[in-house]
Amino acid sequence: TQLLEQSPQFLSIQEGENLTVYCNSSSVFSSLQWYRQEPGEGPVLLVTVVTGGEVKKLKRLTFQFGDARKDSSLHITAAQPGDTGLYLCAGNDYKLSFGAGTTVTVRA
Amino acid sequence: SAVISQKPSRDICQRGTSLTIQCQVDSQVTMMFWYRQQPGQSLTLIATANQGSEATYESGFVIDKFPISRPNLTFSTLTVSNMSPEDSSIYLCSVAGVGTEAFFGQGTRLTVV
Repeated sequence: TQLLEQSPQFLSIQEGENLTVYCNSSSVFSSLQWYRQEPGEGPVLLVTVVTGGEVKKLKRLTFQFGDARKDSSLHITAAQPGDTGLYLCAGNDYKLSFGAGTTVTVRA
Repeated sequence: SAVISQKPSRDICQRGTSLTIQCQVDSQVTMMFWYRQQPGQSLTLIATANQGSEATYESGFVIDKFPISRPNLTFSTLTVSNMSPEDSSIYLCSVAGVGTEAFFGQGTRLTVV
């Protein structure tokens, strides 16, 4: 059973456009993390959100954690080709449970 | 932070054979995790490896198929046994603590022919 659902599965946009990726859980986790993975590499952590309602910004990336700590979103402003990759959300309790991932392609 | 070296980075194997993947961490860690990832897909946890005890396997994964060793706090191996084409995947090792960042090796891309 997939505890974390991500949408959309694929996203292809033009450079300069904005995009949002969603992560919804049937469970409450102690924290939720977002990772980006490039081909041939392991996932790399972007952010950890812990508190319900929390908003974190990382340059052009904005992460939100829902009040009930069961959903999260990742918003990228003015996407660039370097943002291309597989974005994964993961719930953390003593091990990580990953969502299915969103493949983002930013075309130049 | 932790730096994880995983090898081999890729291999092509004949069905029915076995492959052992090695994972070396640059610091001592309590738990190490092994994941499988289909290309472009998410990560599925195979097992958790603790030093000094048997690995804990997730549903759908068994020790006979994926034996794991954890001889010390910086090293682990995962063996994919009696391989079939369905085992073709990327295998990743990881280290993490509760509520902390997870670090991953670069993965081993396995193709079974």
